[in-house]
Amino acid sequence: AQRVTQPEKLLSVFKGAPVELKCNYSYSGSPELFWYVQYSRQRLQLLLRHISRESIKGFTADLNKGETSFHLKKPFAQEEDSAMYYCALSVDKLVFGAGTILRVKS
Amino acid sequence: DGGITQSPKYLFRKEGQNVTLSCEQNLNHDAMYWYRQDPGQGLRLIYYSQIVNDFQKGDIAEGYSVSREKKESFPLTVTSAQKNPTAFYLCASSIGMKNIQYFGAGTRLSVL
Repeated sequence: AQRVTQPEKLLSVFKGAPVELKCNYSYSGSPELFWYVQYSRQRLQLLLRHISRESIKGFTADLNKGETSFHLKKPFAQEEDSAMYYCALSVDKLVFGAGTILRVKS
Repeated sequence: DGGITQSPKYLFRKEGQNVTLSCEQNLNHDAMYWYRQDPGQGLRLIYYSQIVNDFQKGDIAEGYSVSREKKESFPLTVTSAQKNPTAFYLCASSIGMKNIQYFGAGTRLSVL
């Protein structure tokens, strides 16, 4: 079965520090992967998808098929990045990870 | 806000009572979904519908029921058989099953 693992429930960093939110998946085919974000008092929304290969709000994510990973990275964290982040794998339907809370401290 | 509307925002259920959560979308999307969000467990799929008059069980369908009589609407009923209904419920829709999902603002259900 397809599975998404986000090993950290909470990641706390200082403003200006690099951020890496980890995501590993289990699927033997060619995956389609997403990062969704939920800011406080806002709806869950798409942050980025791997096929777009773009940077959104300074975040990037690279698919590593060898390591079956899709980690989300940002070189310099900002306080407004504080949110819940979900990694998701799309095969026949979306499968979400458990989520990681990112807290950026000033 | 537009697109997907969930109501009510807060809902309280008495023991033995069935309650229905509303989800409406005006995005002309074929697929709709219900998720349950619990702290530390992420989003778990309850039911989904790929097209009108058709729906499928997700990972945690027991104690829930849905209908899809109209493309725009996908209500979720939390039945008395659901023994632990307290959670945040999210509705979503997408053009197709593999496309980007758009989410509603959610309904928080609590038990009295």
